Amino acid sequence: DAMVIQNPRYQVTQFGKPVTLSCSQTLNHNVMYWYQQKSSQAPKLLFHYYDKDFNNEADTPDNFQSRRPNTSFCFLDIRSPGLGDAAMYLCATSREGVYGYTFGSGTRLTVV
Amino acid sequence: DAKTTQPNSMESNEEEPVHLPCNHSTISGTDYIHWYRQLPSQGPEYVIHGLTSNVNNRMASLAIAEDRKSSTLILHRATLRDAAVYYCIPTSSGSARQLTFGSGTQLTVLP
Repeated sequence: DAMVIQNPRYQVTQFGKPVTLSCSQTLNHNVMYWYQQKSSQAPKLLFHYYDKDFNNEADTPDNFQSRRPNTSFCFLDIRSPGLGDAAMYLCATSREGVYGYTFGSGTRLTVV
Repeated sequence: DAKTTQPNSMESNEEEPVHLPCNHSTISGTDYIHWYRQLPSQGPEYVIHGLTSNVNNRMASLAIAEDRKSSTLILHRATLRDAAVYYCIPTSSGSARQLTFGSGTQLTVLP
């Protein structure tokens, strides 16, 4: 089945140590999104790629960056994770003209 | 983005219908109303969307008020697997549309 896959499912990183989360999709969707979801809160959009064009949300910290080397893959880089960055990170995709996002199962990041 | 108001939580008995309300009084004329749900430890999943007319699919029905300032998601027979947080999200129809999640409604289904 076509889907959005996030790896790893759980990630533990040390305070200040760079970490990369990955997302891949087999849907051939042209838009990919990264959301942050802290405990008991709603998902919050960090940024998205529309094809190769990167769109950052105004309040996304500089500590968060993203790369999209091709249509299928997108990465979230956290340069210097702090304790406040512990959260579930969700990747989603959509396609222009088709309604509905498809979300991955998320990566739960713990910062120690 | 249009602001939404949903109950924080609702309960339903298994196999009974559930009506989940959403107020979106500031919705623009071209915004679609999307509903997503998020099961525990999962990413959100698309449920249904509509613009003006009531909509049905295999998961649910969506009833949209004539003035479009509110909508109701209807689960015809709730099951234990329907226990989730349900989000009502007005979204533009353009290619740059984005999902901005509100606080949602936590639905508990009682056996």
